[in-house]
Amino acid sequence: QVQLVQSGTEVKKPGASVKVSCKASGYTFTGYYLHWVRQAPGQGLEWMGLINPNSGGTNYANNFHDRVTMTRDTSISTAYMELSRLKSDDTAVYYCARGNSDFWSGYYAYWGQGTLVTVSS
Amino acid sequence: EIVLTQSPGTLSLSPGERATLSCRASQSVSSNYLAWYQQKPGQAPRLLIYGASNRATGIPDRFSGGGSGTDFTLTISNRLEPEDSAVYYCQLYGSSVTFGGGTKVEIK
Repeated sequence: QVQLVQSGTEVKKPGASVKVSCKASGYTFTGYYLHWVRQAPGQGLEWMGLINPNSGGTNYANNFHDRVTMTRDTSISTAYMELSRLKSDDTAVYYCARGNSDFWSGYYAYWGQGTLVTVSS
Repeated sequence: EIVLTQSPGTLSLSPGERATLSCRASQSVSSNYLAWYQQKPGQAPRLLIYGASNRATGIPDRFSGGGSGTDFTLTISNRLEPEDSAVYYCQLYGSSVTFGGGTKVEIK
């Protein structure tokens, strides 16, 4: 069965960076786009961007393009999302989600369990 | 950039009633690339509907999606159950990706 397992809770200081991992199993990792979505406490869902695990190509949302880096390691079927210059309003649960196989944009039938990132001095 | 506006913000209903949730796009959505998700506290979102009206695998037929262009609806038929209490989000995909602000459904 398809599974996306994310790394654990992080606590960071303002100005620091955080790197969240998402390990995929149950399908061909390089066959599907991998997206990142975040959710601030009590708020809605916000799309951050995606990576094509096959080529390594990325597409970032405008709100994050200068602070986010998405990478992958195909040898261990794992994607990473690194967010730099953290601010308090980056406190959120960060989700990875599996997208389409044939087009960069799609809906998400599979999600990771979420990683809470808290930014606090 | 297309903006999705969901209404109402909160819907309070009784078991057995029917729920109708709205998602309005600021521009026409191409090919009805609109999805709906259910999210319960502490959980990741769960895909309910894609392509505006296609139920995802394992989703009961109490859930149905409709609409086209700029106006879409999610309907939970008149078999509303306490377990349907959740926040429901619509999502645009295709030319871009964005989510609506959500509708909270409370079952009294």
